[in-house]
Amino acid sequence: GESVGLHLPTLSVQEGDNSIINCAYSNSASDYFIWYKQESGKGPQFIIDIRSNMDKRQGQRVTVLLNKTVKHLSLQIAATQPGDSAVYFCAETHGGTYKYIFGTGTRLKVLA
Amino acid sequence: EAEVAQSPRYKITEKSQAVAFWCDPISGHATLYWYRQILGQGPELLVQFQDESVVDDSQLPKDRFSAERLKGVDSTLKIQPAELGDSAMYLCASSLGTSGTSYEQYFGPGTRLTVT
Repeated sequence: GESVGLHLPTLSVQEGDNSIINCAYSNSASDYFIWYKQESGKGPQFIIDIRSNMDKRQGQRVTVLLNKTVKHLSLQIAATQPGDSAVYFCAETHGGTYKYIFGTGTRLKVLA
Repeated sequence: EAEVAQSPRYKITEKSQAVAFWCDPISGHATLYWYRQILGQGPELLVQFQDESVVDDSQLPKDRFSAERLKGVDSTLKIQPAELGDSAMYLCASSLGTSGTSYEQYFGPGTRLTVT
């Protein structure tokens, strides 16, 4: 069945280092991918998205890479800061359904 | 900046009681979603509205859950009777929902439900 998953449930990085959070998806028909950040007790917050006709998209300190060949998505955070500590979810959707399928999430811990 | 509003933020109820959650989406957003999020997991879609119409409620436990969006603006999600397994965060999200434009969903702060 369709699924979106993450390789690492917890990622610890030193402040100032770069972080890479990975996500695998199984539905080759997926055409839109989103990364969300969720802090404790809050709703998910949009970080960045990418459509399937792209393989890279950059935002402020964040970059999303999409490899459709191996159905893999990654989120790179440059110069990780304490405020980046949160759980990160990838989500996928397809065919204009607007229905997101979320992965389990990766907890990012930033060490001072 | 416009935000999705939800209330209450926290709710404690006894099993077999009724409980209701309210959501006010961002103004102009035609599509509204209710998600359930169990601790440590990603959100799971319960129901999706396009204006006042239900688009997808395939994951909504209809024997005890109901949702409405009567005027196509704000929405209410109800559980009756609540069960222990319903303890979770209930998230509301909205999007413009216009075909061919942004899929981006904006989430509210959620309602944390604890059933005792």
